[in-house]
Amino acid sequence: EVQLAESGGGLVQPGGSLRLSCAASGFSFSSYAMNWVRQAPGKGLEWVSGISGSGGSTYYADSVKGRFTISRDSSKNTLYLQMNSLRAEDTAVYYCAKPLLGILRGLDYWGQGTLVTVSS
Amino acid sequence: QSALTQPASVSGSPGQSITISCTGTSSDVGGYNYVSWYQQHPGKTPKLMIYDVSNRPSGVSNRFSGSKSGNTASLTISGLQAEDEADYYCSSYTSSSTLVFGGGTRLTVL
Repeated sequence: EVQLAESGGGLVQPGGSLRLSCAASGFSFSSYAMNWVRQAPGKGLEWVSGISGSGGSTYYADSVKGRFTISRDSSKNTLYLQMNSLRAEDTAVYYCAKPLLGILRGLDYWGQGTLVTVSS
Repeated sequence: QSALTQPASVSGSPGQSITISCTGTSSDVGGYNYVSWYQQHPGKTPKLMIYDVSNRPSGVSNRFSGSKSGNTASLTISGLQAEDEADYYCSSYTSSSTLVFGGGTRLTVL
């Protein structure tokens, strides 16, 4: 059974940093790209970042480019999102999600999410 | 990376069919057959309902179908049931190698 479990969320001040983790199990982690998607309270879904199975290719939304870094450790079956220079508008539940195909086609498994709150 | 355009809300009675539209540009919806649809019940995680415009993942009811014409994709739900009441989001691959979501549509089953 595919399982994705995010951790690392919490309260951080504007300008601060946070690293999110997503522990994956139940599938061949290194064979699949992975993504981060966020959802601000009461708002819609927003894609944040994606990474290829090898980790050699990374992709970012304009809203986080230059501030967030996605990475993965296949030895630990774990996906990461390093978030720097955080802003109030980054407040959201952050989900890791596995695509059915390719990198950005059909996200068929999602974690339960971890809440990031950026506030002073 | 402007969000795809979806109606804020749609409604229908049990047994009826409804269609939710998702309008983008030639740089996303119109340029690729990589449109997906997600269902999200309150407090739950999104569930993939359609991928690559019209394909259903295993386990998704055949009451859900997808299509695309030009820059607009559509999700049709036939034989509407109470359990279909949820938020629905479309997404598309873009020419910038990113993913863009629609703003979401709240489906109310009357």
